[in-house]
Amino acid sequence: QKEVEQDPGPLSVPEGAIVSLNCTYSNSAFQYFMWYRQYSRKGPELLMYTYSSGNKEDGRFTAQVDKSSKYISLFIRDSQPSDSATYLCAMSVTGNNRLAFGKGNQVVVIP
Amino acid sequence: GAVVSQHPSRVICKSGTSVKIECRSLDFQATTMFWYRQFPKKSLMLMATSNEGSKATYEQGVEKDKFLINHASLTLSTLTVTSAHPEDSSFYICSAQDRDRYGYTFGSGTRLTVV
Repeated sequence: QKEVEQDPGPLSVPEGAIVSLNCTYSNSAFQYFMWYRQYSRKGPELLMYTYSSGNKEDGRFTAQVDKSSKYISLFIRDSQPSDSATYLCAMSVTGNNRLAFGKGNQVVVIP
Repeated sequence: GAVVSQHPSRVICKSGTSVKIECRSLDFQATTMFWYRQFPKKSLMLMATSNEGSKATYEQGVEKDKFLINHASLTLSTLTVTSAHPEDSSFYICSAQDRDRYGYTFGSGTRLTVV
C-alpha cells in the first residue's frame, strides 16, 4: 500500500462549480497536511497547510483533515478557469522534513 | 512570501555532457533543500535532501555519482547531472525549507532534454 493515495483524475467541472479533491494515507504519524497547485511546466505552489485534524479556510479554498479516517480533502468554491491545474496533496511527520506526495489530481474548469 | 529561483528553466544538452541546475532561496535562508524528479503525469519523486555544509542524503536507487548535489550556502543548492543520457530527460524541481518558519517553497522547475 502506498503511503499516500490520490486519484489522478482528470476531473472536469463547469465554471462556478465546487471542486472536491481528496487523499487517503496509511501512516498515522503524519501531522502536517498540505495541498499544492501545479500549473503545467511549473513547480508546485503551496495552497494550504493544516496541522493535525480540523478545517482551514482561505478565500475560495477549504482544507479538511480527518485523522481518524486518514482522509484529507480540498474544496474549491466558485471554481474559475484559472483553477485548472494539477493539485497535489502532501504530508509529513513532525520532526521529519520529508514530504510524502500523492500522484496529483488534474482539474479542468470549463468556461 | 518566500521565493525560490531555479535556473535554467529549460536546457537541451548532448548525451555525455554535464548539466548544472541552480536553486536559490531569494528572501529566506534555507536549512534544507530537496531535489525532485517528475515524470509526465506523475507525482514528484524525491531524489535527495541536502543540508547546508554537509553531504546530501540520496534516496534509494538514486545514483549519487550521477546526480551531484552541492549545498554551499543557506541560499544556494546545485544539482549537476553528470554524463547525461536520454533517460535522464525529465522535469527536475527543487524545494527549500525556510529556517525560520514551517513551509516548503518550490522552484519553477527545469526541463532537461538530453539528445
